[in-house]
Amino acid sequence: QKEVEQNSGPLSVPEGAIASLNCTYSDRGSQSFFWYRQYSGKSPELIMSIYSNGDKEDGRFTAQLNKASQYVSLLIRDSQPSDSATYLCHLRVSFNKFYFGSGTKLNVKP
Amino acid sequence: EAQVTQNPRYLITVTGKKLTVTCSQNMNHEYMSWYRQDPGLGLRQIYYSMNVEVTDKGDVPEGYKVSRKEKRNFPLILESPSPNQTSLYFCASSPRLAGGSYNEQFFGPGTRLTVL
Repeated sequence: QKEVEQNSGPLSVPEGAIASLNCTYSDRGSQSFFWYRQYSGKSPELIMSIYSNGDKEDGRFTAQLNKASQYVSLLIRDSQPSDSATYLCHLRVSFNKFYFGSGTKLNVKP
Repeated sequence: EAQVTQNPRYLITVTGKKLTVTCSQNMNHEYMSWYRQDPGLGLRQIYYSMNVEVTDKGDVPEGYKVSRKEKRNFPLILESPSPNQTSLYFCASSPRLAGGSYNEQFFGPGTRLTVL
């Protein structure tokens, strides 16, 4: 079992819709959770971090964490074509150990 | 400008010819790490370093070496590259938090390596 699981997609949504990206993880001791966005051929960039159960909102982005069910999700409201990218789920399982998911490709259609 | 730099950005080489990919950060970060990214496999950690002279293996260290003689630099060395090391490589750094752990990572622009 992989430490971090993401559906590879592609996830296609129309412009203006809500895109929902999900990530599950296996290590119950995971402590910090991040979502990175990566455009093709570019480096990952952080868009959200979340550390405790519940929702965290930042502009059009909302991260949701449920440690009991071991999943973390990212909602993108009012999706734009510029949101088309691969979204990487990233988590810290110990003080210096990190894992990345393989990413979900999002296509936002105009 | 705060950044992580990598050189070269693109490299085509032949099997067995030693190469070094440099990584440098100007943010005074303690933690640095190397990843490789392959289609369908995501980012896999090769080596990481928590501070000067402190390095440790990640998930895919075979065929790679690193060193951390200065805080800002963390070069990746391929002593005898092979075609299965053809990949996109990223260096990343992270500041140490007050509790001693690390969180957000800042990535370099990537190095696309092809080994023939």
